Amino acid sequence: AAGVIQSPRHLIKEKRETATLKCYPIPRHDTVYWYQQGPGQDPQFLISFYEKMQSDKGSIPDRFSAQQFSDYHSELNMSSLELGDSALYFCASSLGYQGYEQYFGPGTRLTVT
Amino acid sequence: AQTVTQSQPEMSVQEAETVTLSCTYDTSESDYYLFWYKQPPSRQMILVIRQEAYKQQNATENRFSVNFQKAAKSFSLKISDSQLGDAAMYFCAYRTTYSGAGSYQLTFGKGTKLSVIP
Repeated sequence: AAGVIQSPRHLIKEKRETATLKCYPIPRHDTVYWYQQGPGQDPQFLISFYEKMQSDKGSIPDRFSAQQFSDYHSELNMSSLELGDSALYFCASSLGYQGYEQYFGPGTRLTVT
Repeated sequence: AQTVTQSQPEMSVQEAETVTLSCTYDTSESDYYLFWYKQPPSRQMILVIRQEAYKQQNATENRFSVNFQKAAKSFSLKISDSQLGDAAMYFCAYRTTYSGAGSYQLTFGKGTKLSVIP
């Protein structure tokens, strides 16, 4: 069965650079969630989209923005990167706004040097 | 806001034995979902088991079962016949069903690192 695809899997950036993370949900899934997991931490909710509209925001810095496109893939744009942004970024998708099961992608490991 | 607490940062179990991981949560809602996710060294988040709060029957998935005590707001995970592949970080997670919520994101506990001893 098709799974959530995230690209790139690994990314190394320098401070103050920008990064774009991509997420391709499971086919027919219309809801996407982004989570950030710092070293030794639990995943923290950043932002979510349903039917190409932002549905909620969590602890997402103003330096970050995201959108969901017509094909339901989503991109997380991160600017003015800081060392503290180094983390594993997960995308999860679900079917329908109330789909209770979220399927996680493999994550993108971002390292800021 | 809902909170999820996992009071055991680390646990260990002998291979083929049984281990129970604890999770408590705080919510004022009457209906919600609870999950256990496994995160092996690969860092992939894998859904282990889920429980709907309106169901009194405890969920079971093969060697994994839960003890859901709604009044006590407790949701523990029991792993029977532990295998080396069970070694991982285990996260307990909460999800609202309230339709007025912005979205249905997961709120995670801090995790319990499970080691399996051969």
